Amino acid sequence: SQTIHQWPATLVQPVGSPLSLECTVEGTSNPNLYWYRQAAGRGLQLLFYSVGIGQISSEVPQNLSASRPQDRQFILSSKKLLLSDSGFYLCAWSHREMLGFLRAFFGQGTRLTVV
Amino acid sequence: GNSVTQMEGPVTLSEEAFLTINCTYTATGYPSLFWYVQYPGEGLQLLLKATKADDKGSNKGFEATYRKETTSFHLEKGSVQVSDSAVYFCALSEGGINTDKLIFGTGTRLQVFP
Repeated sequence: SQTIHQWPATLVQPVGSPLSLECTVEGTSNPNLYWYRQAAGRGLQLLFYSVGIGQISSEVPQNLSASRPQDRQFILSSKKLLLSDSGFYLCAWSHREMLGFLRAFFGQGTRLTVV
Repeated sequence: GNSVTQMEGPVTLSEEAFLTINCTYTATGYPSLFWYVQYPGEGLQLLLKATKADDKGSNKGFEATYRKETTSFHLEKGSVQVSDSAVYFCALSEGGINTDKLIFGTGTRLQVFP
């Protein structure tokens, strides 16, 4: 069966420090991968998505970047964190079901607090 | 660009009440539409879906009909239970194989009291 791992679960980082959040998927190949940020009153904001290795699409201008060094690995990074980067980050993967629709599966999320 | 708009919450209901959570969308093509649910302490999971106009998605007593003429996908349940308390997200997927992405609404918190 397919599983998605996201870590760490919580993280407290000082302003100006670097960030690396990792997400890996098991049990599937060539998934679409996503990073979302969930904020109260703003729902799930799509930050990045990837349809293949090295292919990254950015949805919003921001202080973050994403990379996909392997088929089932998706990394969210920052060189220097800002206070406004605090939030709850969710990784997800998706595939097309036999009927053709896109189905997504989510990780447990990372609570990032920048202090 | 494409977007999803949901009614703001929280929605507070008594057990066995009728539920409607409104969702409208903006899309240039023919997206698939979804409702995802996030129960307390759990990750998001797919609740139901509809892939074309007039399709009705259903699961666990919840239903939603893809209305292209009103660009809506409202979530309904005839009789809610305390266990339905959760945050509900309306979503759409757009694009073809090389541009697949999922766009979510802001989420609506449902609180059901006994």
